[in-house]
Amino acid sequence: GENVEQHPSTLSVQEGDSAVIKCTYSDSASNYFPWYKQELGKGPQLIIDIRSNVGEKKDQRIAVTLNKTAKHFSLHITETQPEDSAVYFCAASMGTDKLIFGTGTRLQVFP
Amino acid sequence: KAGVTQTPRYLIKTRGQQVTLSCSPISGHRSVSWYQQTPGQGLQFLFEYFSETQRNKGNFPGRFSGRQFSNSRSEMNVSTLELGDSALYLCASSFDAWGNSPLHFGNGTRLTVT
Repeated sequence: GENVEQHPSTLSVQEGDSAVIKCTYSDSASNYFPWYKQELGKGPQLIIDIRSNVGEKKDQRIAVTLNKTAKHFSLHITETQPEDSAVYFCAASMGTDKLIFGTGTRLQVFP
Repeated sequence: KAGVTQTPRYLIKTRGQQVTLSCSPISGHRSVSWYQQTPGQGLQFLFEYFSETQRNKGNFPGRFSGRQFSNSRSEMNVSTLELGDSALYLCASSFDAWGNSPLHFGNGTRLTVT
């Protein structure tokens, strides 16, 4: 069935450390993988996305990697800061019809 | 450019009533999607509209319906409200049918059913 698994559900790191969030998807036809950050009281905000013809993409302290063979993709945040604290969602396209979201990871960055 | 605007931000309704939520997409965006967010179920897809046509629908009962107007603005209606409908309802817009362009979310309407 249509499914995106996301781990861990909570993640606590010290400021300056790296954080990694992993997702696996079920549909081998999935070809679009965005990541969203949701702060308290706000809607999810797109922070980075990757398409299936690319293995890695970076944007400053954020990077996403994709392994199509294993059907998993990961978000890497380096040099974490307190303002990185939020809930992060991965998502994967299911055919061309819809986007399925993971269950979210609550990241806490301690000063 | 203004972002996705959802109104109202908060709603309190009684079981059995009906409710209409509104979404104004980013100017130029033609696709609008709706999601229900709850602590237990995460982000659940409700439906997507593109050029006034419903392209896809999630696994929600017929009490949940929507429409899109010629200016791309969208409304979502929930009839015969149940306690379990309490959730944050998020609207997202994209330039094209979402599979081809990223989704941009509004800040949601928090619905409480008592």
